[in-house]
Amino acid sequence: DTEVTQTPKHLVMGMTNKKSLKCEQHMGHRAMYWYKQKAKKPPELMFVYSYEKLSINESVPSRFSPECPNSSLLNLHLHALQPEDSALYLCASSQDRVLAGGPPDTQYFGPGTRLTVL
Amino acid sequence: ELKVEQNPLFLSMQEGKNYTIYCNYSTTSDRLYWYRQDPGKSLESLFVLLSNGAVKQEGRLMASLDTKARLSTLHITAAVHDLSATYFCAVVLYTGNQFYFGTGTSLTVIP
Repeated sequence: DTEVTQTPKHLVMGMTNKKSLKCEQHMGHRAMYWYKQKAKKPPELMFVYSYEKLSINESVPSRFSPECPNSSLLNLHLHALQPEDSALYLCASSQDRVLAGGPPDTQYFGPGTRLTVL
Repeated sequence: ELKVEQNPLFLSMQEGKNYTIYCNYSTTSDRLYWYRQDPGKSLESLFVLLSNGAVKQEGRLMASLDTKARLSTLHITAAVHDLSATYFCAVVLYTGNQFYFGTGTSLTVIP
C-alpha cells in the first residue's frame, strides 16, 4: 500500500473558524510532512515530523498547529486563518532519512485538501 | 540555504518533438527527485536519482544526474499530449528530511 490519504478534499472556512486537516499513511514511514501550495508555485514546506516529533518548522504562523498522534497519522489544526492562507495543503510521507540508516527513496503525497478562507 | 532552479519555467512543444528540462541546485546533494503534477492534483513521484551519472527511463521520459555539475535533466522524447503537466525536481540534504523543490516547469504539448 503506497497510499497517503487526506481528509477533507475541500474545506471552506471563515476567519473565525477552527478546523483540522487529517492525513494517514500505512507504509511504515517515520517522516511526515505538511506543505502549502499556491497555484502555479512549488510546494512550500511547513512542518516535518520525524518519529512523531516535530523536526522542522519553517517559521509558520501560529494559526497553523501540527500534531502527530502516532506514526500513521498527521493533523494540521487551523484557527483564525486569513484569506491569503487559501491554498492546496499537501501531506507527504517518506522513510526517515536521519534515523533509518539510509536515504528515503521518495516522498509519497496525498491528494491534498483545497482550502478556501473567506 | 539550498536553491533549486529549473528552466524553462514554461514549455510549449508540439507532439512528436524532443525537449529537455534542466534542474540546477546550489549545494552538494546526493540524490535528486523528479515529480509530476497534473492541474488541480497532487504530486506523483517519477524518478529518484541516487548517484552521479545515474540515468533512469520510463516511457518517453529519461532523467539523469550529474552531481559534480549539480545538474539534473529530464528529457522528453516524441512528446504526446498526455505528458502535459508541471514537472518539479527536488533535492534533499544528506543530513535531514527537508526536501527542496525547484521552481517547476509547466509543460504543454500541442497536437
